[in-house]
Amino acid sequence: QVQLQESGPGLVKPSDTLSLSCNVSGASIFSSAHYWAWIRQSPGKGLEWIGSIYFNGNTFQNPSLKSRLVMSIDTSKAQFTLRLTSVTAADTAVYYCARRAGSSAYFRFDSWGQGALVTVSS
Amino acid sequence: QSMLTQPPSVSGTPGQTVTVSCSGGSSDIGRNTVSWYQQLPGMAPKLLFYNENRRSSGVPDRFSGSRSATSGSLVITGLQSEDEADYYCAAWDDSLNVWVFGGGTKLTVL
Repeated sequence: QVQLQESGPGLVKPSDTLSLSCNVSGASIFSSAHYWAWIRQSPGKGLEWIGSIYFNGNTFQNPSLKSRLVMSIDTSKAQFTLRLTSVTAADTAVYYCARRAGSSAYFRFDSWGQGALVTVSS
Repeated sequence: QSMLTQPPSVSGTPGQTVTVSCSGGSSDIGRNTVSWYQQLPGMAPKLLFYNENRRSSGVPDRFSGSRSATSGSLVITGLQSEDEADYYCAAWDDSLNVWVFGGGTKLTVL
């Protein structure tokens, strides 16, 4: 069974870069059937998709974040990474990594990490 | 980026049936499956089902769904206290190439 685990600093200063990694175990990160995604949830708010990355590095990104967003994947470490630059307090959220499964029209996020709270504060 | 539309809250008593609606558009729900997620307090979201009726492993058959042209519904029958949670719908928008989520619906079991 696939397991996803986020890791990274819990506190980031305003204007700095937020960096998180997601370690994938129990399934191959090379899978042609899956994308690997980042989703965040601001305190007391709903879910916001950040972006998704394929094993070959192909990405889809939320247009509202794209100018500040860098996503990468390291298949040798079974890990994918999120970097969000020039953060503000509005980026304070629980960040989840997730696996997008399915093909054609049947997409869904079938596995989620436990989430990592990142607070932007000086 | 647009968002799917869900009611902020619904409630019911144990044993009742509740329905959570999710309204979208032609390029998201109109073309792609709606998936539903349950988020218990303090926990990560969990996939309940997708494609209207494909339940995730371990999800009881009290949870079901339906879909019309540009909307979907989550139906919970035989409501139980442990169903108290936030529920989110989601769909891929293949016109904008983005995922859109509903704002979430808080289910209270009275």
